[in-house]
Amino acid sequence: GAGVSQTPSNKVTEKGKYVELRCDPISGHTALYWYRQSLGQGPEFLIYFQGTGAADDSGLPNDRFFAVRPEGSVSTLKIQRTERGDSAVYLCASSPTVSTDTQYFGPGTRLTVL
Amino acid sequence: RKEVEQDPGPFNVPEGATVAFNCTYSNSASQSFFWYRQDCRKEPKLLMSVYSSGNEDGRFTAQLNRASQYISLLIRDSKLSDSATYLCVVCSNQAGTALIFGKGTTLSVSS
Repeated sequence: GAGVSQTPSNKVTEKGKYVELRCDPISGHTALYWYRQSLGQGPEFLIYFQGTGAADDSGLPNDRFFAVRPEGSVSTLKIQRTERGDSAVYLCASSPTVSTDTQYFGPGTRLTVL
Repeated sequence: RKEVEQDPGPFNVPEGATVAFNCTYSNSASQSFFWYRQDCRKEPKLLMSVYSSGNEDGRFTAQLNRASQYISLLIRDSKLSDSATYLCVVCSNQAGTALIFGKGTTLSVSS
């Protein structure tokens, strides 16, 4: 079946602009996670959703970052007033339930802020 | 101190070699442990879960020592296709079910 998909695969923007990154989880998966991976680092947790609600957003670095999942399926990560330090690969993962440990990752969106 | 620490390598080994990666974690309340594999410019993929009793999947053996907060991965009879970055991952109760990743250990297997 279809895995986690993310769009766009690459996004280049200018400092100060607003960007939206989209994640389509595996159908039926109730838990959805966003991670950020900088060059040479492992992925770092940003936020996770159980259904429509953000159950834990402790990893969001500051209030420029926000994520939604209005219908409990597709999620959008929104970054306002982008900075060069936001450049990274943004990974989305989903799992059948919150209590299921295995998370399936999408291919990521490579964000470059010039 | 980072929550999950790994030697970044790179480990350069010939085909057929046995190679071992180690990882330590700082949160003693961690409940679940994994090794993920990540190919260049690709997403991480689950390689195997790690249990205290140790577990084996073909050429791969993972071990967990809770007392020492230490996780290991052993790869026997290395193949060219094993070349990748291996990420040590801990599920930290402090962050719900978020996965906490190490920086990864890079393995390069050559012929």
